[in-house]
Amino acid sequence: DAGVTQSPTHLIKTRGQQVTLRCSPKSGHDTVSWYQQALGQGPQFIFQYYEEEERQRGNFPDRFSGHQFPNYSSELNVNALLLGDSALYLCASSLGGNNEQFFGPGTRLTVL
Amino acid sequence: QKEVEQDPGPLSVPEGAIVSLNCTYSNSAFQYFMWYRQYSRKGPELLMYTYSSGNKEDGRFTAQVDKSSKYISLFIRDSQPSDSATYLCAMRRGITSSYGKLTFGQGTILTVHP
Repeated sequence: DAGVTQSPTHLIKTRGQQVTLRCSPKSGHDTVSWYQQALGQGPQFIFQYYEEEERQRGNFPDRFSGHQFPNYSSELNVNALLLGDSALYLCASSLGGNNEQFFGPGTRLTVL
Repeated sequence: QKEVEQDPGPLSVPEGAIVSLNCTYSNSAFQYFMWYRQYSRKGPELLMYTYSSGNKEDGRFTAQVDKSSKYISLFIRDSQPSDSATYLCAMRRGITSSYGKLTFGQGTILTVHP
């Protein structure tokens, strides 16, 4: 049983560019949440997707957007990248939003 | 003031020691509490998931929740070098008000030396 998978593993971009990160949830899960983890910090909630809709959003600007597909996989898009967007981006899946969340390995984004 | 406070450490203990990791929180709306373990450059791994005040045990791990004091703990017995990792506490509000948003502590870096 595959757990949560994310791609790519690493990514290097320059300021002003756009990036798309991808996540496939654990088998049987229908909800995907995205988190940003800066070095030495705990993860910060970006948003959660359920039934292809953004259900809840954290304190992140509109440059951060997402999408969920009918097969429950999800994408995180970040526009107009800033140096401060450099972080580990984590995807977590769950069955419904209010059960245990299981995390993927993350995508490490470096913005130069 | 952060909603969840966690001592970042680092914490260094000898193999076999009992480890105590702690978090405090300010928001009484938090109802569900979790502990995650994160190895370097990996995603967090769920260790414990609790709701009620009191203790929950799983092998060498015991999670303790005291809602009246807004304080949670994770105890690791007979610690092993393989327990060396960052430990994150996380919590969320009740079912009707949060849709599962997790609020994390900063993480405590633990090293268990042989």
